[in-house]
Amino acid sequence: AQKVTQAQTEISVVEKEDVTLDCVYETRDTTYYLFWYKQPPSGELVFLIRRNSFDEQNEISGRYSWNFQKSTSSFNFTITASQVVDSAVYFCALVNRLAFGKGNQVVVIP
Amino acid sequence: DAMVIQNPRYQVTQFGKPVTLSCSQTLNHNVMYWYQQKSSQAPKLLFHYYDKDFNNEADTPDNFQSRRPNTSFCFLDIRSPGLGDAAMYLCATSRGSGSGANVLTFGAGSRLTVL
Repeated sequence: AQKVTQAQTEISVVEKEDVTLDCVYETRDTTYYLFWYKQPPSGELVFLIRRNSFDEQNEISGRYSWNFQKSTSSFNFTITASQVVDSAVYFCALVNRLAFGKGNQVVVIP
Repeated sequence: DAMVIQNPRYQVTQFGKPVTLSCSQTLNHNVMYWYQQKSSQAPKLLFHYYDKDFNNEADTPDNFQSRRPNTSFCFLDIRSPGLGDAAMYLCATSRGSGSGANVLTFGAGSRLTVL
């Protein structure tokens, strides 16, 4: 079965604080891809990052960073120094089977 | 800018009255998807086209149909909308290679209200 779990439903932070979103996945595929998408209030899902199952290198891209650990089936995402514009729903997705997690509502308080 | 455009952005229909949502893309992507997203839930894949090949998800109700007359356009037809079909409908596109690596580009969605 393909499954993505995002346990936290709503996370509120004060502007400039860091926020980490947890994602745990289940798959029997040996090759798979994990994504993070952002859905602002306007509704359009925006691609943020992609990681394949063979590459566990963790990277930083601007204020975004991610921690992929295959051993624990986790693909966590961090926003550093959050801004009000980061307020959105963030979805983790296992795209081999087009399975999205339920999303994390992030609210950044000015 | 190349993009995925959905029309209408907001659709109100009556219970049982057919509705059609459209999606067009200028990305020349060969794969097009339709997702249903209910309030505070994850997008749920209804079906997708890989080129002209239609792929229906096993749990997609028969009430939902789709047409793809050409590469650029895809339509979602809801034959007899029920109250439970009120949702945001998202169209997405990607280049299809079968590897699962493809980034999906989403439209802004069509919000359907059923009265």
